[in-house]
Amino acid sequence: GENVEQHPSTLSVQEGDSAVIKCTYSDSASNYFPWYKQELGKRPQLIIDIRSNVGEKKDQRIAVTLNKTAKHFSLHITETQPEDSAVYFCAASKSNGGYNKLIFGAGTRLAVHP
Amino acid sequence: DTAVSQTPKYLVTQMGNDKSIKCEQNLGHDTMYWYKQDSKKFLKIMFSYNNKELIINETVPNRFSPKSPDKAHLNLHINSLELGDSAVYFCASSRGSGSYNEQFFGPGTRLTVL
Repeated sequence: GENVEQHPSTLSVQEGDSAVIKCTYSDSASNYFPWYKQELGKRPQLIIDIRSNVGEKKDQRIAVTLNKTAKHFSLHITETQPEDSAVYFCAASKSNGGYNKLIFGAGTRLAVHP
Repeated sequence: DTAVSQTPKYLVTQMGNDKSIKCEQNLGHDTMYWYKQDSKKFLKIMFSYNNKELIINETVPNRFSPKSPDKAHLNLHINSLELGDSAVYFCASSRGSGSYNEQFFGPGTRLTVL
C-alpha cells in the first residue's frame, strides 16, 4: 500500500543553521507533496507544497525539492529561528477516482536553539 | 473568524461510553475529513466526505460512524469507547476532493478514554 517514510525523527540545530528533512514515497502515481508544520498543542498548517511537474519550489526561507525518479522529496529551512521549532510532516497524495488521500510521514520534531 | 472549528476541545470519558465530536467549516469547502493523531504524533486519515457523500473510508472499526448533515458539517460518533481510542482527532476541509487541494485543519479534540 501507499507509504511515506520521513527522516530524521528528531533534529536539533542552532539558530541560523539550516535544517533538512527528507521523505520517500512508495506510490509512483503520487503527484502532490505538501508539508505541514504543527506547533505544540496546535493544528497542522500547510507551509509549502509541490506538484509532480515541478522539481523545486521556494518561499522565503523554505524550499522543497522533488526527485520523481528516486521518489524523494525534501524540505529545506535556511537561517532557522526559534519559532521554527515544531513538528514537520511531509505527505503525498495522488488523484484516485476524483479524490485524493493524503498519506503522512511520521513527522520530524525540529528544535532550534538560540 | 474561525475557519474550521471542532467541539469539544477536550473529552474525557469512561470505557464503553458513546461520544460525539462535531466539526464545522465556514470556508465554503466541498470536502471534509477526519484524522486521528496518536500519542506518537502519527496522522492518519479515517474518513472523507465530498458534498455529504462518503468518499474515503479507511480501515476503521465500525464503532466509528461519521455523519455529514450538510457540506459544512462533519460529525464523528464513537460507540463503545476503548482505551486505544485515546488520541487527538482532527477535522479538516478542502475546496475540492482532487489533488492539489490544501487541507485546512481544525484545532483538534483530545479524547481520553479511562
